[in-house]
Amino acid sequence: DADVTQTPRNRITKTGKRIMLECSQTKGHDRMYWYRQDPGLGLRLIYYSFDVKDINKGEISDGYSVSRQAQAKFSLSLESAIPNQTALYFCATSDFDARGYTFGSGTRLTVV
Amino acid sequence: AQSVTQLDSHVSVSEGTPVLLRCNYSSSYSPSLFWYVQHPNKGLQLLLKYTSAATLVKGINGFEAEFKKSETSFHLTKPSAHMSDAAEYFCVVSGKGGGNKLTFGTGTQLKVEL
Repeated sequence: DADVTQTPRNRITKTGKRIMLECSQTKGHDRMYWYRQDPGLGLRLIYYSFDVKDINKGEISDGYSVSRQAQAKFSLSLESAIPNQTALYFCATSDFDARGYTFGSGTRLTVV
Repeated sequence: AQSVTQLDSHVSVSEGTPVLLRCNYSSSYSPSLFWYVQHPNKGLQLLLKYTSAATLVKGINGFEAEFKKSETSFHLTKPSAHMSDAAEYFCVVSGKGGGNKLTFGTGTQLKVEL
């Protein structure tokens, strides 16, 4: 099994729909992150969590929300999806000093 | 605050010739620096990382990078390109100035021609 598992791998949804992307990890790390990747822009941080009770906005959090259900689970929600949220989404975990990051395989989301 | 600039969005080399992908960073504190590679339709793979030990860092698949504080650079090199090196490469900075979060560059697409 992968250290960081993202589900689903691919998703097509309609504008206005609510969608949840899920991430689970077996690394035992406290820190978890959600990034989105757009061509020519690299990866940008949406939300991050340093432990179950500590959730913080990243640089592009508008239109997104997150839930840290347990140390191992961190989900990303789009309450009302819009086409410019079409992107590749990555979940990641890290240890306490952030020198060892592990990324999931990504979720490709298309909003039509 | 921290940031990273990848100076070339596209680099094209011939197979067997050297590869140079350029990266400059900005960080208020001593940074950690990484290079990640992403092959088409794949996830991210860590090539190498610098975390304040030796300034010349060796990574996987023959890649290496040199941390130059005076030039605020962390360029990625490989002596001889292989067709399988064709991919997108990301320079990444992390440090206390950014709350130990990763800040990605915009990527360099490497093309390797016969």
